[in-house]
Formats: sequence, C-alpha cells, structure tokens
Amino acid sequence: DVKVTQSSRYLVKRTGEKVFLECVQDMDHENMFWYRQDPGLGLRLIYFSYDVKMKEKGDIPEGYSVSREKKERFSLILESASTNQTSMYLCASRLVGVGYGYTFGSGTRLTVV
Amino acid sequence: KNQVEQSPQSLIILEGKNCTLQCNYTVSPFSNLRWYKQDTGRGPVSLTIMTFSENTKSNGRYTATLDADTKQSSLHITASQLSDSASYICVVTPGTDNYGQNFVFGPGTRLSVLP
Repeated sequence: DVKVTQSSRYLVKRTGEKVFLECVQDMDHENMFWYRQDPGLGLRLIYFSYDVKMKEKGDIPEGYSVSREKKERFSLILESASTNQTSMYLCASRLVGVGYGYTFGSGTRLTVV
Repeated sequence: KNQVEQSPQSLIILEGKNCTLQCNYTVSPFSNLRWYKQDTGRGPVSLTIMTFSENTKSNGRYTATLDADTKQSSLHITASQLSDSASYICVVTPGTDNYGQNFVFGPGTRLSVLP
C-alpha cells in the first residue's frame, strides 16, 4: 500500500513564526497536494505539484508556499503563521491520469496561538 | 459550477442498525465518484470508487450505488459498528482532470454510532 507520511500529528506555533509541514510518499507518485480542512468548509486545495520543482496554486494559496525538491517530498511553508491558519492540514499523492484517486496522509493539526 | 452536496449533514444511529448516506453532484463531464471515510483527527481513506458504467459496488458492510442519469450516489452501511463512527466524504472527479487538482469534494456526513 502507498504510504503518505506527515511528519507531525499535532503542532502548536506562535503568531509570526515560520512553519514547515513535511509530507513524504513512498510509491513514486507524480502528483502531490496540500489541503486544509475546516469545519463547515470541507477540504480546500492550497497548492499542488505535478512534478519535481513544479507547483501550482490551488484555491487558497495566500499565506502559504511550497517546495518540492525531490519526487517523494512535498513541503508546505507558512511564512508568517497567523491565527486564521489554525486548521487540519492534509497531504495527498496520486498517480497521473484520470481515474486515479488520492492517498491521504494522517493529517497535521496546526494551532497558531 | 461543479458542486457536490451530501445529506444528511450528521446522523446518529444505534449499533447494529443500517443507514444510508446521500451524495448529489453537478460535476460534468463525469469520470468517477469515490466515497472516503475519515476518522476523527485522521486523513480520509478510500472506501469505494464508482465509474460511469457501475451501478453498485460493495466493500464489506459498505455498499455504494451510482445513478449517473440523476447524478446521485448513496453509501449504505449495514449492521453498523461503533468503528463506523466517522465522517464520510463524497468526491467526484471531472472527466478532464489529469493531474487531480480539480477533484470536487462534498462537505461530508458525520455519522455517530451509539452502543
């Protein structure tokens, strides 16, 4: 089975800190994604990457950046954390092609105080 | 606009009972529909995938149906267990989405199974 591993289950950071969320997948998937999930809003796409060093903005990229230096690793960066970025962050990966679904990581619950 | 709606928003049932969750979508063109189960504080896990030509698919006590004409899907859970307590998310893939960035997520149904 494909595994998508997020480095932290829970994080507490202070306002203004730079925050790194790491995601690693082990099955050579080309596509990787970062979502945030908030009650009543569902999953919203922040950024995705379709290849190494390639990235595309999703629906809510403001306040975030990403890095994909290696195929298996996709990092989400909060340049200056704010309280409205308190959320559940989900990483996912998939193979290229219509018909393939996501494999999600376990999620990182980030609290910004 | 591509949208996925789910009902009910939340549901409480007693252990051992059956239940049915609904998903309506307006995504076009349609490629496939997935049901995911998300335990509290965890990432979603795929339960089933339905393509255009499939009407019914089972995965243990979970049975998904798809009516592509009316653009409706349901997830039926038989003989519910406490471990079925979770959110169930319906996700529709547009037919033109090669990279996966246009998946359309429903808001989810929160199921609570009580002893």
